[in-house]
Amino acid sequence: DGGITQSPKYLFRKEGQNVTLSCEQNLNHDAMYWYRQDPGQGLRLIYYSQIVNDFQKGDIAEGYSVSREKKESFPLTVTSAQKNPTAFYLCASSIPGQGHQYFGPGTRLTVT
Amino acid sequence: GIQVEQSPPDLILQEGANSTLRCNFSDSVNNLQWFHQNPWGQLINLFYIPSGTKQNGRLSATTVATERYSLLYISSSQTTDSGVYFCAVTGNTPLVFGKGTRLSVIA
Repeated sequence: DGGITQSPKYLFRKEGQNVTLSCEQNLNHDAMYWYRQDPGQGLRLIYYSQIVNDFQKGDIAEGYSVSREKKESFPLTVTSAQKNPTAFYLCASSIPGQGHQYFGPGTRLTVT
Repeated sequence: GIQVEQSPPDLILQEGANSTLRCNFSDSVNNLQWFHQNPWGQLINLFYIPSGTKQNGRLSATTVATERYSLLYISSSQTTDSGVYFCAVTGNTPLVFGKGTRLSVIA
C-alpha cells in the first residue's frame, strides 16, 4: 500500500526540548517537503529536498532542521530555538518538476 | 513570490446546494492543485489542474492560466463535503498555498 506515513499523530513536549518528527514515503518520489499549518491558516513551507543529501530552506526555516540520508525518509527536528513550535506539521512528496504533491496525515505538536 | 488569494473565506450551504470557490494567483504558474482538508487534518488531492477543465463526480475545476484564476465547483453538496478547501500553485518554487475556504454543509 503506497503512501506517506508520519508519526506520531500527536506529540507533546516541554519547552526547551528538541523534538523530531518522522516522515516516510514508499512512492519512490525524489522530492520531499515539510509544511507547518497554524489554526485558520494555509500551509507554509519549512524545508524541502529534491534529492538525497540535499535540502533547501523554505519560507519559515528558522528554528527547524532536517536531514535526507535516504530517499524514503525526511525527518524534521523542531529545535528549542523555534519560538512558537505548537502547530500541525505536514509532510509531502512529489516527483521533482511535476508539482503534483501527495501529503501524509500530519503530526500535531503541542509544546507547553 | 507568488501570492494566492481564495474567496470566500467562509461558506455555509444547505445540503443539496451548489457552490463556486475561487482562487486568484499573482503570477504565471506551472501547476495548480486543489485540496480538501478533512476534519482530521488530512489533505486530499482533488485536482491537479494547471489549465483547462476537469470533472470528478460532483466536483469540477477550471483554471484560466492567462487570467490567473481557478474555480472549484461543488454541485449537490453533502455534509461530507465540509472542511477546508485549499488552492496551491507553483511556478519555479514549491507549492504556495492560499488561506483556504472553510465550507460547512448543513443537513
